[in-house]
Amino acid sequence: DAKTTQPPSMDCAEGRAANLPCNHSTISGNEYVYWYRQIHSQGPQYIIHGLKNNETNEMASLIITEDRKSSTLILPHATLRDTAVYYCIVRSNTNAGKSTFGDGTTLTVKP
Amino acid sequence: NAGVTQTPKFQVLKTGQSMTLQCAQDMNHEYMSWYRQDPGMGLRLIHYSVGAGITDQGEVPNGYNVSRSTTEDFPLRLLSAAPSQTSVYFCASSSRPGTSGRDTQYFGPGTRLTVL
Repeated sequence: DAKTTQPPSMDCAEGRAANLPCNHSTISGNEYVYWYRQIHSQGPQYIIHGLKNNETNEMASLIITEDRKSSTLILPHATLRDTAVYYCIVRSNTNAGKSTFGDGTTLTVKP
Repeated sequence: NAGVTQTPKFQVLKTGQSMTLQCAQDMNHEYMSWYRQDPGMGLRLIHYSVGAGITDQGEVPNGYNVSRSTTEDFPLRLLSAAPSQTSVYFCASSSRPGTSGRDTQYFGPGTRLTVL
């Protein structure tokens, strides 16, 4: 199963864009890239996902490289409430039940 | 929909005791999973299920059992609790990727377990 690699921590100034990278160099053709975030000790919450095209929703944008070996989650105007741990995972129909999360990136948004 | 529910929210056990953590979902999801999260760490997969009657091991299955007799329920059993099992336990459910516009995993609120 494809694994992901993320930097352990990042800082971002309030109001600026936060760009969180993720490497998934062993991703297979049928695996989607998902992003979640976890605030304090709550359960992780879905942000966005994509297969090979860039995606945008009300929370964030997801940029996937053409070779699909890496992606970037963009929070366009970070607020203090976006301070959280962000997880990038890959899932497919064949491995959806056994998604592994890793340690994620701790994003700290500073005033 | 209630989504994913977990009971209890908090539990304290003594070493050697057994207990069952309950998880239920009302979204008719095929996939259900159990994760544990130790302080300052990410989520680690314990067991998962791809449908009623089908379960398999994740990254850290030792000391835990699961069963999936119905689509809705996926209980996690601690056979003989140890202090190393002190953690926060999350249950998650999802549909098959690609089957809907938002086929993500939905997580429960977690059970905070302390083993003395």
